[in-house]
Amino acid sequence: GAGVSQSPSNKVTEKGKDVELRCDPISGHTALYWYRQSLGQGLEFLIYFQGNSAPDKSGLPSDRFSAERTGGSVSTLTIQRTQQEDSAVYLCASSLNLLSPSDEQFFGPGTRLTVL
Amino acid sequence: GNSVTQMEGPVTLSEEAFLTINCTYTATGYPSLFWYVQYPGEGLQLLLKATKADDKGSNKGFEATYRKETTSFHLEKGSVQVSDSAVYFCALSNYGQNFVFGPGTRLSVLP
Repeated sequence: GAGVSQSPSNKVTEKGKDVELRCDPISGHTALYWYRQSLGQGLEFLIYFQGNSAPDKSGLPSDRFSAERTGGSVSTLTIQRTQQEDSAVYLCASSLNLLSPSDEQFFGPGTRLTVL
Repeated sequence: GNSVTQMEGPVTLSEEAFLTINCTYTATGYPSLFWYVQYPGEGLQLLLKATKADDKGSNKGFEATYRKETTSFHLEKGSVQVSDSAVYFCALSNYGQNFVFGPGTRLSVLP
């Protein structure tokens, strides 16, 4: 596709269930980022990938959160044993190359996660 | 490490007023600087950027100048419109490092 896509667009789940969020970056973009945005709040950085490697996992809120990227393309963010405080919009972005600071990030539309 | 500081919001202006949203940064080397905008109900999109000192980014009547001496990248618009109501994020990108976003400034423009 032409832009970053995310699926699902909305996810409602029960507390304690696991969820998987998917991000398809722009073709050819080597850098991929995950953020979380709670209602009316700013961006909370979660994790980024250069290729399939995640050099910095310090933003993940707890060990219930994990992410992977395969083939230098699609990424999945997994939240295990979801809690109500995990409810937020999860944003994915990609950029051409982490080693080129002038490259902008392109954002997907987000996945709105609601934990009941 | 790298960091971005933005003025606290919300900012409320009347239509045709002058807008300034302050942004300062801390970084080593020569980062690139960005302003992103998030309109109500929409995703984040790039508004403008500047990649080296003294560069001016501009788009949709908005401008920001990369000032290395004051480590600033303030966003300005001479005459705001109701349609400019949004949340504005200042951000920086440094070589081989993650993007860093400011907390965002919510702008409301009243008719």
